[in-house]
Amino acid sequence: GAGVSQSPSNKVTEKGKDVELRCDPISGHTALYWYRQSLGQGLEFLIYFQGNSAPDKSGLPSDRFSAERTGGSVSTLTIQRTQQEDSAVYLCASSLALKTDEQFFGPGTRLTVL
Amino acid sequence: SQQGEEDPQALSIQEGENATMNCSYKTSINNLQWYRQNSGRGLVHLILIRSNEREKHSGRLRVTLDTSKKSSSLLITASRAADTASYFCATASGYSTLTFGKGTMLLVSP
Repeated sequence: GAGVSQSPSNKVTEKGKDVELRCDPISGHTALYWYRQSLGQGLEFLIYFQGNSAPDKSGLPSDRFSAERTGGSVSTLTIQRTQQEDSAVYLCASSLALKTDEQFFGPGTRLTVL
Repeated sequence: SQQGEEDPQALSIQEGENATMNCSYKTSINNLQWYRQNSGRGLVHLILIRSNEREKHSGRLRVTLDTSKKSSSLLITASRAADTASYFCATASGYSTLTFGKGTMLLVSP
């Protein structure tokens, strides 16, 4: 596809369950980013990948959050033992290379933890 | 930590009027970018201005950057109802990733 895709678009889960969110970046983009946006708020940076490595994991809010990227393309963000405060829209973005380049965003995954 | 902060938080105007949004930041930057977000979903990049630039235009958009005041403004001229969205500034500093502000909600009424 031409843009960044994310799946699922919506996810409703029960507290304590694990969830996995997927991001498929634009082909050829080596940098990939995950953000979280709570209702009416700005974007909270979670993690950044350059290729398959994640040099900056400082934004992950707790050890229940993890992310991986294999083959320099698709990335998954996993949240274990979900809590109600994890409810938010999770946005993925990619860019050609430099961290400071224009970022192209996916449509996001709206996560609701009941 | 919050880098860019937009002002005002919300702006309501009539179609045809101009809309001006401001962004202030705290540390030195490499570039500053403006994004638009519709319906709480993915952001769309509007314009990037580098630290050595003072003004940039793209269609009906005009962005200024004053590094001495650590501020930027986004002007949308001849606004349309379709411009209704949230607008975010994002700053790029050193080797860090982009830092986004909380956004300005713009409502353009027909």
